[in-house]
Amino acid sequence: DGGITQSPKYLFRKEGQNVTLSCEQNLNHDAMYWYRQDPGQGLRLIYYSQIVNDFQKGDIAEGYSVSREKKESFPLTVTSAQKNPTAFYLCASSTRTRGRPYYNEQFFGPGTRLTVL
Amino acid sequence: GQNIDQPTEMTATEGAIVQINCTYQTSGFNGLFWYQQHAGEAPTFLSYNVLDGLEEKGRFSSFLSRSKGYSYLLLKELQMKDSASYLCAVRGGAYNTDKLIFGTGTRLQVFP
Repeated sequence: DGGITQSPKYLFRKEGQNVTLSCEQNLNHDAMYWYRQDPGQGLRLIYYSQIVNDFQKGDIAEGYSVSREKKESFPLTVTSAQKNPTAFYLCASSTRTRGRPYYNEQFFGPGTRLTVL
Repeated sequence: GQNIDQPTEMTATEGAIVQINCTYQTSGFNGLFWYQQHAGEAPTFLSYNVLDGLEEKGRFSSFLSRSKGYSYLLLKELQMKDSASYLCAVRGGAYNTDKLIFGTGTRLQVFP
């Protein structure tokens, strides 16, 4: 079955440690995204990538890093520089269209809930 | 600035109709999306509007007025499983990017 997988579903880390969240898709989608969701707030974009080996900062990129070495994979590293890393992290992907609107809807993975102790 | 407003919470009765409103102010506009999100789960796509008017898809319909910066999601024949958060998102900015700006979501509770 085609889809987006994120692992693990729950992750606990000690303060000061870097942690990498996995995101894999077999939908052959060009673009991938990382969002953060906090209670009472909308999804906020951390990083996005429209093509392999290229990525752009979103609205809240500080303290995070990404890579896009393969089309299928877009891992997110939460570094110790991120001041408040405890949150629900969602990965998404979308495919390009030939003309407008340029991209179809975004499909989301099941999410990883990160808790920093 | 970029701003999307939607009510925080709504309640409705099983079998009824509910309308969830969304107003937006963004620097660009290339479409508006509605997503459904059950607690602790991923958002799932419901509808997409880029032109003014009503899009109907089964029990769900979505309306857009670009001149008013306004959209609504209409849910008919409500079922208990419709209890979820409904997220309004605008694709803004440059036309060849897919950056979405999300509202905070409307939590809908359906009662028997």
